[in-house]
Amino acid sequence: GAVVSQHPSWVICKSGTSVKIECRSLDFQATTMFWYRQFPKQSLMLMATSNEGSKATYEQGVEKDKFLINHASLTLSTLTVTSAHPEDSSFYICSARDTTEYEQYFGPGTRLTVT
Amino acid sequence: GQNIDQPTEMTATEGAIVQINCTYQTSGFNGLFWYQQHAGEAPTFLSYNVLDGLEEKGRFSSFLSRSKGYSYLLLKELQMKDSASYLCAVTDSNYQLIWGAGTKLIIKP
Repeated sequence: GAVVSQHPSWVICKSGTSVKIECRSLDFQATTMFWYRQFPKQSLMLMATSNEGSKATYEQGVEKDKFLINHASLTLSTLTVTSAHPEDSSFYICSARDTTEYEQYFGPGTRLTVT
Repeated sequence: GQNIDQPTEMTATEGAIVQINCTYQTSGFNGLFWYQQHAGEAPTFLSYNVLDGLEEKGRFSSFLSRSKGYSYLLLKELQMKDSASYLCAVTDSNYQLIWGAGTKLIIKP
């Protein structure tokens, strides 16, 4: 089956610093990648959708200058949380889909804690 | 607006059967997914329905009625490891996934 990896799996950073999270599709070409955020005991919240080679489409209320998304290749997308604050602490999950599939394949998630 | 409703929490007994319902109102419909999510982990795919009817896969089955905007996930022979959140998600006309809030299923011995 299709495999999506995320790195790092968890990260602790200080307030004001930036953190980069990588999402890779290991055995398929992901034309579209999705970034989600999930707070404890809540459902997934879509942050943005990115297509390879084009700018990401952000959901309403998500600051594009704070959450930088790059989808430079068909197997890699990155999410950079800039000037992180404690309220950015959350579980960030990416998913990937290729043009021939209907299913989104999820990465294992990255737990971010901002102190 | 787009809306997906599912119960917040359900409790069932090990070995029993449980049905988790999901109703949806979306702009267009291109399929309905069920995902399982254990605490602290990413969701894992369970089923996909795009046509009306029942899809069976081992102990899990999923049903869809497009005319009623309704689906259910049926879990048989419940095991303790089935304790998890079950997420219903619908793909709308733009192929965007609209997520329900999830149903937390608690299995008791």
